[in-house]
Amino acid sequence: KNQVEQSPQSLIILEGKNCTLQCNYTVSPFSNLRWYKQDTGRGPVSLTIMTFSENTKSNGRYTATLDADTKQSSLHITASQLSDSASYICVVSPFTGTASKLTFGTGTRLQVTL
Amino acid sequence: ETGVTQTPRHLVMGMTNKKSLKCEQHLGHNAMYWYKQSAKKPLELMFVYNFKEQTENNSVPSRFSPECPNSSHLFLHLHTLQPEDSALYLCASSQARGLYEQYFGPGTRLTVT
Repeated sequence: KNQVEQSPQSLIILEGKNCTLQCNYTVSPFSNLRWYKQDTGRGPVSLTIMTFSENTKSNGRYTATLDADTKQSSLHITASQLSDSASYICVVSPFTGTASKLTFGTGTRLQVTL
Repeated sequence: ETGVTQTPRHLVMGMTNKKSLKCEQHLGHNAMYWYKQSAKKPLELMFVYNFKEQTENNSVPSRFSPECPNSSHLFLHLHTLQPEDSALYLCASSQARGLYEQYFGPGTRLTVT
């Protein structure tokens, strides 16, 4: 069964600090991996998307990495801001299929404090 | 309005009520989706519509009834819900059916009392 596991479940950091969120998956064959940011009470918004051939992708202070061999991805947030407080969801897509084949993680809830 | 909009944003209903959730997308997409998001659980895909036709129903109870009158609008009709149906209901759209990037609305927070 395809699975996506994210860690930690939740995280609290001070403003200005860096942090790294992890995503491990078992989806195979694998096409791409997306990281979404979801603010409380809002819908998810895409941050990055990486195909199996890419190993890093940046979007401002967000940098995602991918190791397709070990089936691991990470999202690194640099110089965190209060507005980074949100849930971060990892979503893995197989090579073929429809939306029902997307596998979502449960997310990491990040809180950035003063 | 841009993107994907959903109304209402919050809804409280009793188990005997009938209500509807509305979703509208302004992106020119052809596929629309309903998801359920419960606390500490992954997003659960409920229904998929492509060019107004339902293409997927992931074993959703009949107390949830979707309707898609055109490619821009999607409804979710609710009746005789249970307290465990309380969740955030998200609508999404994508360019076409398949593994295209989905754009999500802000969601409707539903509480069933």
